[in-house]
Amino acid sequence: VQLLESGGGLVQPGGSLRLSCAASGFTFSAYAMSWVRQAPGKGLEWVSVFYSGGGATDYADSVKGRFTISRDNFKNTLYLEMNSLRADDTAIYYCAKEFGLGTTGAFDYWGQGTLVTVSS
Amino acid sequence: DIVMTQSPDSLAVSLGERATINCKSSQSVLHTSNNKKYLAWYQQKPRQPPKLLIYWASTRESGVPDRFSGSGSGTDFALTISSLQAEDVAVYYCQQYYTTPWTFGQGTKVEIK
Repeated sequence: VQLLESGGGLVQPGGSLRLSCAASGFTFSAYAMSWVRQAPGKGLEWVSVFYSGGGATDYADSVKGRFTISRDNFKNTLYLEMNSLRADDTAIYYCAKEFGLGTTGAFDYWGQGTLVTVSS
Repeated sequence: DIVMTQSPDSLAVSLGERATINCKSSQSVLHTSNNKKYLAWYQQKPRQPPKLLIYWASTRESGVPDRFSGSGSGTDFALTISSLQAEDVAVYYCQQYYTTPWTFGQGTKVEIK
């Protein structure tokens, strides 16, 4: 299993960014996938999930209405569209795979992360 | 939201000694329909992503050394390292996946005394 994030960088407050996570080594379409972030020197915060099957999504309140998660099961890629970015969105963003089919919320594989810095 | 509180924030243990990290959830994470506790433990070393150690509160992930064990009830949980090794220096997080938003404890830093 490999998860490779990309798309991070420096963006001004109020700006937008799109993260990608390319997955390989497992049946991507069968698993829920999440984004989890970690501010510099801080703990872990779950951001969003895209469930397998019907396409349901869920978000942390801190990003609801500003971030949109999506996936392309043909390209085995997970995305996170981030708008109206704020300084407190600065973090390493990890892509993470659910640990068991149909059991969401815990993660057995994580990418190396991509750093998003929101600053003027 | 379910708040996860770990104690202590940091822990220094001699090599070969036992280390225990506690985690308390603000509400039960025991699902009565399947009698499973929706609690996981992760290890994070510097400049690395987290690594899943334990799920269902006490099931060790494949490849995790058996010196790591998890235990607990519906709201009080513990991760025990039975004999601390140098490679176990890391920050450890508990996480509930009972309901969204899935939440993590603040982390416990384990060091060598």
